[in-house]
Amino acid sequence: GIQVEQSPPDLILQEGANSTLRCNFSDSVNNLQWFHQNPWGQLINLFYIPSGTKQNGRLSATTVATERYSLLYISSSQTTDSGVYFCAVKKGSTLGRLYFGRGTQLTVWP
Amino acid sequence: NAGVTQTPKFRVLKTGQSMTLLCAQDMNHEYMYWYRQDPGMGLRLIHYSVGEGTTAKGEVPDGYNVSRLKKQNFLLGLESAAPSQTSVYFCASSYSLGGSGANVLTFGAGSRLTVL
Repeated sequence: GIQVEQSPPDLILQEGANSTLRCNFSDSVNNLQWFHQNPWGQLINLFYIPSGTKQNGRLSATTVATERYSLLYISSSQTTDSGVYFCAVKKGSTLGRLYFGRGTQLTVWP
Repeated sequence: NAGVTQTPKFRVLKTGQSMTLLCAQDMNHEYMYWYRQDPGMGLRLIHYSVGEGTTAKGEVPDGYNVSRLKKQNFLLGLESAAPSQTSVYFCASSYSLGGSGANVLTFGAGSRLTVL
C-alpha cells in the first residue's frame, strides 16, 4: 500500500496562533483529503485537494502532488480547532481505497 | 437528512461471541466503507463496497465479514469476536466527483466495541 506520514504528531498552541500541518505520501495519488476528528470522535471532511490550493475561512490547504506532500494551514487558532487532523490519500489504481496517516493531535489552549 | 448512521454506538462482547454493526446512509452514495481506529494507528480500512451486491477487502479484513444487500446499508459482522477486535469502528460513504473516482468521504459517528 501507500505510506502516509503526518507531522508533527502532536502540536500545542495558544489561542490565536497559526500552525502548519504536513502530510507526506509515498506514491502518486489522485485523491487527497484532510479530516478533522473533534474531541467527541466525529470525523469531518475539511478539504478534497488532490492538487493546488483551497481556502475555507481560517483553514487552507495546499497539495504539491509532484513532490508528494500536502500542507494544512490553520490561522488564528481557536479552542474549537482542537482534535486530530488526518490526511488520507488514494492511488489511481486502487478503486475506493483511501489510506490514512496517523494524524496530528492539536491542542489549542485559551 | 441523517447522513451516515451507525448502530449500535457501544457494545461489549465476550470472546467468541458474534455481532453485526449496521451502517445506513440516506445520501444515495455508491461507495461504502468500514474502518477501524486504534490509538496511534489512524484509520485502517477493513472492507469496502463500490455498489449494491459488491464487497472488497481492505487493509485488515481478517476476522470480519460484510454484506451490501441494499444500496443504503452496509453491514459489518464479527463471527467470533477476539480481544484484538476491541476498537472504534467507523462507517463512511462517498460519491464520485465527475469521472475521477474522487470518493469524498462522509463518516458516521462511530461504534465503540469492547471484547473481553
